[in-house]
Amino acid sequence: EPEVTQTPSHQVTQMGQEVILRCVPISNHLYFYWYRQILGQKVEFLVSFYNNEISEKSEIFDDQFSVERPDGSNFTLKIRSTKLEDSAMYFCASSVPRTGYNQPQHFGDGTRLSIL
Amino acid sequence: AQKITQTQPGMFVQEKEAVTLDCTYDTSDPSYGLFWYKQPSSGEMIFLIYQGSYDQQNATEGRYSLNFQKARKSANLVISASQLGDSAMYFCAIEAAGNKLTFGGGTRVLVKP
Repeated sequence: EPEVTQTPSHQVTQMGQEVILRCVPISNHLYFYWYRQILGQKVEFLVSFYNNEISEKSEIFDDQFSVERPDGSNFTLKIRSTKLEDSAMYFCASSVPRTGYNQPQHFGDGTRLSIL
Repeated sequence: AQKITQTQPGMFVQEKEAVTLDCTYDTSDPSYGLFWYKQPSSGEMIFLIYQGSYDQQNATEGRYSLNFQKARKSANLVISASQLGDSAMYFCAIEAAGNKLTFGGGTRVLVKP
């Protein structure tokens, strides 16, 4: 069964550095998402992406964050000037074209980001 | 805005028994979808089951079923014949206007042998 692939599985970075989290969505999916989960907390929406542009973003997704689909397969999340509070599990998800709300978002296994 | 409430932070269930995980939601949108995801200790998010707001019948998927009570705004997950591998966090989520999921705080299930 096709799956969403995320790399790396674990990223350790010094505070203030930039990180890029990578995702390969399922090939026929057109909607892409990033979520984050701070340890022990709920999963929070960051951004959704469709047709090569951001379709929605949360208040968490400020100027420190950016997303890109640099080619036909990868979907990346860049975090600039990382802070301690950026430490979390970051999930990429994708879904097929929507005709309603009946298509689940399929999640990758996540990238655990640790800021030191 | 959408909101999901899961009032049970943790539950024990005996192997082979059924367990019900509560989920209540709040949205002003007439059209929405409700989803349940499982998160094992390894951390990945696994889609389990979906219920649409206009679906007349409760969703079922193998050992998972959804007790959807629209008037009460609840979408409880029922896991029948619990297995040791069902031990995990379970998240209820809603998707309404826009295409983002709003998650609840989760319920941790521990299946006892």
